[in-house]
Amino acid sequence: DAGVIQSPRHEVTEMGQEVTLRCKPISGHNSLFWYRQTMMRGLELLIYFNNNVPIDDSGMPEDRFSAKMPNASFSTLKIQPSEPRDSAVYFCASSLLGEKLFFGSGTQLSVL
Amino acid sequence: GESVGLHLPTLSVQEGDNSIINCAYSNSASDYFIWYKQESGKGPQFIIDIRSNMDKRQGQRVTVLLNKTVKHLSLQIAATQPGDSAVYFCADHSGGYQKVTFGTGTKLQVIP
Repeated sequence: DAGVIQSPRHEVTEMGQEVTLRCKPISGHNSLFWYRQTMMRGLELLIYFNNNVPIDDSGMPEDRFSAKMPNASFSTLKIQPSEPRDSAVYFCASSLLGEKLFFGSGTQLSVL
Repeated sequence: GESVGLHLPTLSVQEGDNSIINCAYSNSASDYFIWYKQESGKGPQFIIDIRSNMDKRQGQRVTVLLNKTVKHLSLQIAATQPGDSAVYFCADHSGGYQKVTFGTGTKLQVIP
């Protein structure tokens, strides 16, 4: 298996633009997590899905952030409109039945 | 004003020595703990896990100890190598839908 696949690897955009991050979890995994990592706040859980259903989105910073999981093999995290303070590394991770997390390589987002 | 990032504890160890990384948790109901390793530019990677019905678990060159009385977890790395240089996170599973919360991390620097 190729592991968790995230795209793009890097994203540079201007303030106000829409940003969409993509994730393909490991086949067969039933939980998917979106994390954000910054120097200021460390690794933060934004939202997680169980069997494609959003379970807890309390970590999503504000209404500008939204996440979807239309099927078991794909998820998106969207920021609209983006702001400079959204600059961070965004990780997607998947797991099976609550066991260990497998992380993707992350998306480095820079909002200018 | 000047922005201040998270204070990331740093452990410097001579190559070949043993490393001990510590972690405290607060939820006495937590029953599953995981140690992850994050190398520069990569996502966190599973190292070893332990359940609350165990006090100790060993892997290849790594040992995790769990002290439920004082809510403390430690990761021991034997014969530390340059490739062990990374940030190490302990992660706590709270009950319900496999929500995982990460600690702030400890940076391990291996001195050749």
